[in-house]
Amino acid sequence: DIQMTQSPSSLSASVGDRVTIACRASQSIKHYLNWYQQKPGKAPKFLIYAASNLQSGVPSRFGGSGSGTDFTLTISSLQPEDFATYFCQQTYSKPPTFGGGTKLEIK
Amino acid sequence: QVQLVESGGGVVQPGRSLRLSCAASGFTFSDYPMNWVRQAPGKGLEWVAFISYDGSDKSYADSVKGRFIISRDNSRNTLYLQMNSLRPEDMAVYYCARENRWLEFPFDNWGQGTLVTVSS
Repeated sequence: DIQMTQSPSSLSASVGDRVTIACRASQSIKHYLNWYQQKPGKAPKFLIYAASNLQSGVPSRFGGSGSGTDFTLTISSLQPEDFATYFCQQTYSKPPTFGGGTKLEIK
Repeated sequence: QVQLVESGGGVVQPGRSLRLSCAASGFTFSDYPMNWVRQAPGKGLEWVAFISYDGSDKSYADSVKGRFIISRDNSRNTLYLQMNSLRPEDMAVYYCARENRWLEFPFDNWGQGTLVTVSS
C-alpha cells in the first residue's frame, strides 16, 4: 500500500496568513492526489482533485501543486472558516490511502 | 443536489453484526462507484471498502477483509455495508462516499456519517 505522510501534523496561524501543508507519497502517484477539509463533527469536504484542480465552489484562495511524490496545499489568505483539519488522499492505486491529517488552528 | 444519508449505526457487542445503509439521491447512483470510509474517535480517515458502479468489482481493507461485505442495490439507490464479527477496533464513524471516476477518482461527496460503537 502507498503511504501518505502529511506535515506538519498541526499548525497555528492567524487570519490573513498564507499557509502551506505538505503531503508526501511513499512512491510516485503521478498527479492522483486529492485534498479534503474536515471540521469537527462534520464529514470531510472535497477541495482539490488531481493535485491542482479546485472542485467547483471552492474559494480561489485554496491551491494545490505537486506531482510524483511531493504535493502541497496552500491557502493564500486564511479566513476564519478555514480553521479545520486537512487530509490528502492518493487514488493512484488501490487501496486509496489518506494522510494522517493537518490540524490548522487559530494563533 | 447530491445527498448521501447513512443509517444503521449503533451500539453492538463484540462478535455481533450490524448492517449499515447509505441512501443516495440527486444523481444517477448506478453511474458511480462507491466507498465506505471510517474514522475512529480522534483519528484520521481509513478507507474500508469499494464497490464498482455495477457491483461487479469489490475490494476491502485488510483490517476488515473476510468480516465485512459491501453491496449495492441500484434499483433502490442504496449502498450497504454488512459488518460481521465486530471488534472494539471497528468502533468509528462510518461514511459512505461517492467516487468520481471522471475526475480521477476523488471521493467527491460524503454522507454525514453513522457512529458504530462496539462495546460489551
